[in-house]
Amino acid sequence: GQNIDQPTEMTATEGAIVQINCTYQTSGFNGLFWYQQHAGEAPTFLSYNVLDGLEEKGRFSSFLSRSKGYSYLLLKELQMKDSASYLCAGSKAAGNKLTFGGGTRVLVKP
Amino acid sequence: DTGVSQDPRHKITKRGQNVTFRCDPISEHNRLYWYRQTLGQGPEFLTYFQNEAQLEKSRLLSDRFSAERPKGSFSTLEIQRTEQGDSAMYLCASSSQGYTEAFFGQGTRLTVV
Repeated sequence: GQNIDQPTEMTATEGAIVQINCTYQTSGFNGLFWYQQHAGEAPTFLSYNVLDGLEEKGRFSSFLSRSKGYSYLLLKELQMKDSASYLCAGSKAAGNKLTFGGGTRVLVKP
Repeated sequence: DTGVSQDPRHKITKRGQNVTFRCDPISEHNRLYWYRQTLGQGPEFLTYFQNEAQLEKSRLLSDRFSAERPKGSFSTLEIQRTEQGDSAMYLCASSSQGYTEAFFGQGTRLTVV
């Protein structure tokens, strides 16, 4: 199977750091994506990891361990506008269909 | 180019009616995907085109669903004899061969009453 699991909801304080974990069955995917989705809007691309390790992009970083079937998205210096759902998605190859987890709703409080 | 556009943005229909949605991908993108998303869930893959060829269909896509991309540009998704369970957000995404990122449209929210 290709289940992707992530927590349903997380709450954090403005200015803090939040880490969203994502686990998946290793045989399914070659790369992991993270998308951000604000309520009622389209998902927007945040990151793509195909190699093990940490990829940093400004306040957002994503990590992948293919052998463990594990990824996380790290959001630093949280801002109120970061309140959104964060979707972890796997793909067998670049350009292939995405298999999404249920999404993690992050609520940033003042 | 303004990105992936979908029409209509909202559709309310009575159970048993047919509905058709349209997606216009980013112009140079040869890959086009349809997903369905219900409240509080992640998007679920429905079908995928490379140019005009429909390469994959999910088992979620019952016989009442059909998708086309006749000239390899825009795509339509038709649902026949709609059911209340079809109520969802229907998302279209496109990507270019050789690139990893898929760009999503704003979606069509379908409500079947």
